[in-house]
Amino acid sequence: DTGVSQNPRHKITKRGQNVTFRCDPISEHNRLYWYRQTLGQGPEFLTYFQNEAQLEKSRLLSDRFSAERPKGSFSTLEIQRTEQGDSAMYLCASTSSTDTQYFGPGTRLTVL
Amino acid sequence: GQQLNQSPQSMFIQEGEDVSMNCTSSSIFNTWLWYKQDPGEGPVLLIALYKAGELTSNGRLTAQFGITRKDSFLNISASIPSDVGIYFCAAPGRSQGNLIFGKGTKLSVKP
Repeated sequence: DTGVSQNPRHKITKRGQNVTFRCDPISEHNRLYWYRQTLGQGPEFLTYFQNEAQLEKSRLLSDRFSAERPKGSFSTLEIQRTEQGDSAMYLCASTSSTDTQYFGPGTRLTVL
Repeated sequence: GQQLNQSPQSMFIQEGEDVSMNCTSSSIFNTWLWYKQDPGEGPVLLIALYKAGELTSNGRLTAQFGITRKDSFLNISASIPSDVGIYFCAAPGRSQGNLIFGKGTKLSVKP
C-alpha cells in the first residue's frame, strides 16, 4: 500500500491556460473523490467516481472542469481557461466501501 | 445545508499541555472522522468513529462520537511540537460518500 499519489505537487499557470492533474488511488480502492481546498477552509467536494463511472458532481464543478477515470484506476482533473479564482489545493481521496477516505498530498494550483 | 462547526478556531499552547477541540452540527451523522493537515500536504486520517458514544484512541489522541450523533470531540494528551497543524472533523455528506469538513482548528505548540 503506497497510499494515494498526486502529480504534479505544484502548478503555476497563467490565466486562460488549461491544466491537468493526475491522481493515483490506493490500488484496491474502487471509489475516488476530488476535493478543492482554499486557504482557511476545509476541503470541499467536487466529484466522485465508482470504478470508471462518474456518479456525482458538485455545483462547484463548473463547465470548465472535467474529470475522468478511464480504466477505473487513476483519474485526471482538467481545468480549461483557468481563472485566478481557481487557485487552490486540489485533493484526491480514495476508499473501498466505507466512509473512511484516504487523501493524497494534493496539487497546489496558482493562477497568475 | 449540512454544516460542521469546529471550535476553537485556533489554539496556542505550551508543550506538554492537553488539548481539547470539538465539532458540532445540527445534523445527525453515523460516522465522524478526524484528520490532521500539515502545511502543503493532504489531510491524514487520525481516528474514525462509527458508533454513537464510541470512544477511540490512537496513541495520545482520543476521540469520542457524541451520544446525540450531532457532535464529536478530539483530545490530545501531553502535546509535543509535532502536533502542530490543522485538525479537521469530517462526516459523510448527502451525496454518495463525499465528506463534509469543518473549517479546522489550528494548533500551535510552544516548546
